[in-house]
Amino acid sequence: DVKVTQSSRYLVKRTGEKVFLECVQDMDHENMFWYRQDPGLGLRLIYFSYDVKMKEKGDIPEGYSVSREKKERFSLILESASTNQTSMYLCASRAGLAGDEQYFGPGTRLTVT
Amino acid sequence: AQSVTQPDIHITVSEGASLELRCNYSYGATPYLFWYVQSPGQGLQLLLKYFSGDTLVQGIKGFEAEFKRSQSSFNLRKPSVHWSDAAEYFCARGSNYQLIWGAGTKLIIKP
Repeated sequence: DVKVTQSSRYLVKRTGEKVFLECVQDMDHENMFWYRQDPGLGLRLIYFSYDVKMKEKGDIPEGYSVSREKKERFSLILESASTNQTSMYLCASRAGLAGDEQYFGPGTRLTVT
Repeated sequence: AQSVTQPDIHITVSEGASLELRCNYSYGATPYLFWYVQSPGQGLQLLLKYFSGDTLVQGIKGFEAEFKRSQSSFNLRKPSVHWSDAAEYFCARGSNYQLIWGAGTKLIIKP
């Protein structure tokens, strides 16, 4: 059974804190993605990675960075959290081809106060 | 820029009634098209996908979708909805390395 896990389901942080969101997949997928989901906006891509140590910016990378040191793990970092980063964060992984299914984790609901 | 439009933010249907959720995509070569469902408190799950070939695609949970190139549409259908179908539904198209997502349609089921 394929699995994508995220380190926290709920997280509350203060403005200015550095925040780490972790994602692990057990499917040996090359590609991993970080999205944020906001009501009425669908899913917006923050960053993705197509290989270890490789990353590409998505549509809304500002205020975020990522790290992929191992194939199975993809981390999203909020360098200095702000209230407008309060959102649901979804991690996904995908095998090599563009037409393959993306598998999603359960999400992390982050609140920045 | 490529885009995906789901014109209905909310749809309410009675249990047992038929369902159609609309999805339109912007111009491009034959796209990869997907429908995902997000049940309350859960991650997104793939319902079905279209790459090529037969334009009527069958998915899980009794859903199907029809690709219509002339209308740039990929509408999702189910002949008879169940209360457990209450969820948010997302249409997406493949674009190189990523998916372009619609804003989602929330399905509400009336008993």
